[in-house]
Amino acid sequence: GIQVEQSPPDLILQEGANSTLRCNFSDSVNNLQWFHQNPWGQLINLFYIPSGTKQNGRLSATTVATERYSLLYISSSQTTDSGVYFCADNTGNQFYFGTGTSLTVIP
Amino acid sequence: EPEVTQTPSHQVTQMGQEVILRCVPISNHLYFYWYRQILGQKVEFLVSFYNNEISEKSEIFDDQFSVERPDGSNFTLKIRSTKLEDSAMYFCASSGQGVYGYTFGSGTRLTVV
Repeated sequence: GIQVEQSPPDLILQEGANSTLRCNFSDSVNNLQWFHQNPWGQLINLFYIPSGTKQNGRLSATTVATERYSLLYISSSQTTDSGVYFCADNTGNQFYFGTGTSLTVIP
Repeated sequence: EPEVTQTPSHQVTQMGQEVILRCVPISNHLYFYWYRQILGQKVEFLVSFYNNEISEKSEIFDDQFSVERPDGSNFTLKIRSTKLEDSAMYFCASSGQGVYGYTFGSGTRLTVV
């Protein structure tokens, strides 16, 4: 299957700060998705982004498929952004997830 | 936007009991999946289901697990005799043709005591 590496593993931010999370893939990018797992464990889809750039409010994501990586930008972070961020991509019908970046935003 | 709905959001069960986790996939989707996430670990694939049969399963999906689409709208995961190590978040997902519109539910937290 696909190997998915995420960095950094942990991140602590002061409220209002910006951050960049990275996802590297061992194989070509197919249907890359970014997720936010909130403190209750719920998985919230953020972006479907196999290539290019998308923005949704304070979040944006860029995937460079030819170089097999994706970036998630969080601007003006808020305490509600805390949680774990996962990227995932598929081979066939199966998605492979990274180990996640655990983000803590402190007031 | 269409959603995959999972119920309950949290279930507590005694070791050795059977448990059924329920999912309502997106209505026109054809492929259905279960994933598992043990606390602090990454999300892992369990099984995919298409045309009323299992199409792929992982090593985790052993004989104590089964899946069923009992009617036109629900998709269930049954764990026959739960063990402490079955405590995890379980995520359902569905997709249209192939991986088109692949959507995850928000999960069910299963706690085995």
